[in-house]
Amino acid sequence: QKEVEQNSGPLSVPEGAIASLNCTYSDRGSQSFFWYRQYSGKSPELIMFIYSNGDKEDGRFTAQLNKASQYVSLLIRDSQPSDSATYLCAVNAGGGNKLTFGTGTQLKVEL
Amino acid sequence: DVKVTQSSRYLVKRTGEKVFLECVQDMDHENMFWYRQDPGLGLRLIYFSYDVKMKEKGDIPEGYSVSREKKERFSLILESASTNQTSMYLCASTLGLAGYEQYFGPGTRLTVT
Repeated sequence: QKEVEQNSGPLSVPEGAIASLNCTYSDRGSQSFFWYRQYSGKSPELIMFIYSNGDKEDGRFTAQLNKASQYVSLLIRDSQPSDSATYLCAVNAGGGNKLTFGTGTQLKVEL
Repeated sequence: DVKVTQSSRYLVKRTGEKVFLECVQDMDHENMFWYRQDPGLGLRLIYFSYDVKMKEKGDIPEGYSVSREKKERFSLILESASTNQTSMYLCASTLGLAGYEQYFGPGTRLTVT
């Protein structure tokens, strides 16, 4: 079992819809959770981070964390073509300095 | 403004060559990381450093070494490049523990022929 799992996609949504990206992790001791966006040919950039159970909102983005079920999700409201990218979930397992990344979900927002 | 730079965007080397990839950050960050990114495998940690002259192995350290002589600079060394080291190499830095955002450099696409 991979430590951090994501569906590779592509996930296609129409412009203006809500995109829902999911991530599961295996280490129950994980403490910090991150969503990165990566455009093709570019390096990852941080979208959201979340530490506590529940929802965290930032503009059109909402991160949701459920530690009991070991999943973290990212919702993108009013999806735009510029949101088309690969979204990487990253988990800090058990503290320390390392992040473990999922393989990413490719999102395509269609006109 | 946050900045992580890498010495080359594209690099082509021959099998058996010694390869140096350099990363510099200007944010006075304690921690620096080297990853490689391959299709279907995602980002995998090679080595990281939490202080000058300190280093720890990541998940895939075989065939690589690192050097951190100054706080702002973290070098990745391929002792004898092989074709299976053809990849995108990404450097990142972060201020404190992994609860802090990792800032990534632009990446170096290395091709070993």
